[in-house]
Amino acid sequence: NAGVTQTPKFQVLKTGQSMTLQCAQDMNHNSMYWYRQDPGMGLRLIYYSASEGTTDKGEVPNGYNVSRLNKREFSLRLESAAPSQTSVYFCASRLHGPGKNIQYFGAGTRLSVL
Amino acid sequence: AQKITQTQPGMFVQEKEAVTLDCTYDTSDPSYGLFWYKQPSSGEMIFLIYQGSYDQQNATEGRYSLNFQKARKSANLVISASQLGDSAMYFCAMREVNSGNTPLVFGKGTRLSVIA
Repeated sequence: NAGVTQTPKFQVLKTGQSMTLQCAQDMNHNSMYWYRQDPGMGLRLIYYSASEGTTDKGEVPNGYNVSRLNKREFSLRLESAAPSQTSVYFCASRLHGPGKNIQYFGAGTRLSVL
Repeated sequence: AQKITQTQPGMFVQEKEAVTLDCTYDTSDPSYGLFWYKQPSSGEMIFLIYQGSYDQQNATEGRYSLNFQKARKSANLVISASQLGDSAMYFCAMREVNSGNTPLVFGKGTRLSVIA
């Protein structure tokens, strides 16, 4: 029962470096999401993908790019990391459609940009 | 635009007592879903309970219940018989249905501390 798997769990970057956060789900879900969590701000949506081949911006997309590689995988890329991107990043997935369709989360990636 | 408001940054409750965590929401979509998640200090997001806007009864899941007052646009989480393990951050979230495949939008959370 892997669910949603995120790698890495921890990362430290220097300002200007790039990196890709990986996310994979094994629940055959259509939709996948990237959120960031900052103290006192709750979870804010960066990008999402309603289905394979589509991506849409969320509330805070600046400085990020995403790729929906296939149905299972949705990656988040920071091209030139900034200290303001220090945060905890969560990937999530769910089945498309109305109703309960619970959104499941990965364990998170704690990123520090120095 | 949808919006979730959690007005209590922090709450304390005595062990074995009940506690209510407040959540109000704003949407013009008549069809929506409301969710509560728990985030313990370990960091994972744990789904607790769901309420659909057309559900006639308040949702319950074990010691968790959702006090859904549609006219007041509130969806408060009630935890009965609090346990030390209930100490965590709690997030209220909403998804609109008729607007398409909209993602969950979260409130800022309430930190609950259970005191022995």
